[in-house]
Amino acid sequence: DVKVTQSSRYLVKRTGEKVFLECVQDMDHENMFWYRQDPGLGLRLIYFSYDVKMKEKGDIPEGYSVSREKKERFSLILESASTNQTSMYLCASSFPVVAPSAEAFFGQGTRLTVV
Amino acid sequence: DAKTTQPNSMESNEEEPVHLPCNHSTISGTDYIHWYRQLPSQGPEYVIHGLTSNVNNRMASLAIAEDRKSSTLILHRATLRDAAVYYCILRRGNTDKLIFGTGTRLQVFP
Repeated sequence: DVKVTQSSRYLVKRTGEKVFLECVQDMDHENMFWYRQDPGLGLRLIYFSYDVKMKEKGDIPEGYSVSREKKERFSLILESASTNQTSMYLCASSFPVVAPSAEAFFGQGTRLTVV
Repeated sequence: DAKTTQPNSMESNEEEPVHLPCNHSTISGTDYIHWYRQLPSQGPEYVIHGLTSNVNNRMASLAIAEDRKSSTLILHRATLRDAAVYYCILRRGNTDKLIFGTGTRLQVFP
């Protein structure tokens, strides 16, 4: 059974803390993605990685950074958490879009609350 | 990135066919048309994708207009479990990005 696993389902952090959200996939996918989902705004892409140590900014990268040291792991880092980063965070992975099987698989999500 | 336009919401009765439209008038030749859906309290799941030809799988059918400026996701017999937000997405062949819009919320009534 294919899997994208996010390290926490729920997190509560204080304003100003450095926060790490971890995502691991076991499908040998080249692509990995981080999104946040807020009511009325849908899923917005934060960062995207197409290979180890390679990354591209998405639509809303401000206040976030990412790390991809190994193919299976993609970390989202909030350098100094703020209350407006309270959200549901979703990780996904996929093969390249030109591959025969290019569908993205999503993790179960991490609901982060910054107080 | 090329944009897609979908109705905010649609309704269907159980066991009826559902046609979910998507407009993508600025699509380019390398853009793949992907559909995902998100059930309540879950992450999105893949439904179907295509490039130029119509596609069928066990979940749905995808009908792509000849000029590729629009597509329609067809659920042949809606069930209560199909109630979800359906996203139509263009994936550019040379970037691999996956950009979601706000989707169509489908309600299915018994």
